[in-house]
Amino acid sequence: GIQVEQSPPDLILQEGANSTLRCNFSDSVNNLQWFHQNPWGQLINLFYIPSGTKQNGRLSATTVATERYSLLYISSSQTTDSGVYFCAWPYSSASKIIFGSGTRLSIRP
Amino acid sequence: GAVVSQHPSRVICKSGTSVKIECRSLDFQATTMFWYRQFPKQSLMLMATSNEGSKATYEQGVEKDKFLINHASLTLSTLTVTSAHPEDSSFYICSARGQGEAFFGQGTRLTVV
Repeated sequence: GIQVEQSPPDLILQEGANSTLRCNFSDSVNNLQWFHQNPWGQLINLFYIPSGTKQNGRLSATTVATERYSLLYISSSQTTDSGVYFCAWPYSSASKIIFGSGTRLSIRP
Repeated sequence: GAVVSQHPSRVICKSGTSVKIECRSLDFQATTMFWYRQFPKQSLMLMATSNEGSKATYEQGVEKDKFLINHASLTLSTLTVTSAHPEDSSFYICSARGQGEAFFGQGTRLTVV
């Protein structure tokens, strides 16, 4: 099956810092999504990004499907950005959504 | 974005009892819903794919008799954990796909004592 790696697994930053999270996949994917899981477990949709770049406030994401990776950028981090960030995509033959291993982000005040 | 509602958010039950978790898509019809399980500090693991009006498709290693899934309508899927044991304690999350994009419920934290 498709393999995916997210890096880094853990990231600790001071408030105000910028960060880049990466998602590498072993095969071509489409309809990639980025999620933020807050400390209460809720998964929040950040981006639905098959290819190209999208921006939403302090967050932006880029997917380069031909090179099999996607990046999530967080600028001017806030403590509320803390949590786990997952990339996920539909496993095309069955349309089920498969998750990467996640990046645990901690923003210190 | 679309809204998926999951209830209850937290449940504590005695060993040997059954627990039902509901997942509803509030503002769109979902022909397919998904059930995930998440252990502490781990990623989400897909348990099963639920299709409206047909039997669920379970992932390898998931006991279909233990985790009963019903998808009675285009907006409702249920997961019943039967004869629960402490090792079934976990965080369960449902998902529904709209036009390609997936949306998730709030999750249910199950504790079996």
